[in-house]
Amino acid sequence: GAVVSQHPSRVICKSGTSVKIECRSLDFQATTMFWYRQFPKQSLMLMATSNEGSKATYEQGVEKDKFLINHASLTLSTLTVTSAHPEDSSFYICSASPSGTYEQYFGPGTRLTVT
Amino acid sequence: GNSVTQMEGPVTLSEEAFLTINCTYTATGYPSLFWYVQYPGEGLQLLLKATKADDKGSNKGFEATYRKETTSFHLEKGSVQVSDSAVYFCALTYSGAGSYQLTFGKGTKLSVIP
Repeated sequence: GAVVSQHPSRVICKSGTSVKIECRSLDFQATTMFWYRQFPKQSLMLMATSNEGSKATYEQGVEKDKFLINHASLTLSTLTVTSAHPEDSSFYICSASPSGTYEQYFGPGTRLTVT
Repeated sequence: GNSVTQMEGPVTLSEEAFLTINCTYTATGYPSLFWYVQYPGEGLQLLLKATKADDKGSNKGFEATYRKETTSFHLEKGSVQVSDSAVYFCALTYSGAGSYQLTFGKGTKLSVIP
């Protein structure tokens, strides 16, 4: 149980385009989902906390107009990287917390490469 | 604020060697503590957890004990295997503003050689 999927697993896009990453909790409902970014050989950096039906809370230094987060249902959150640039290339990981718990279950990650 | 400090890697061990990865934390109150493992090219998997002082989390031969007096949660395994090669993250969570955010250490890369 507690499986989280991400789609796509890898994406290559051209500079200036937008790309959407989906995060789904497959067998539980998640009131809260989190989006992280991981640079090579580094730890996870929390980008934002997403609560179903409300606006995401972004961490300091994360541009909310560039990284659009939507959490429209209890099983789906999306991260859209708008007007992507090569410096946005990274490994993006989502996690989901089953409603009423503090545990986070992580997706397998999405490798974004912007050319 | 909350923080997690874990030993710098990389750590290279021979198969069947004993593993210790140190982790200490700073937090107010009583956080829950976790070890996550990340295999190459994948997301994080919860390895074990402990929610209160003196709790021992264990899974797949790995163990860690929540030591409040030393604010530590060191990860140990008696006999590592090649398949244990991965990056290990120590983390804590503490409820704030209605959500449980995880604070991660920087990760320790473990390589086990045959």
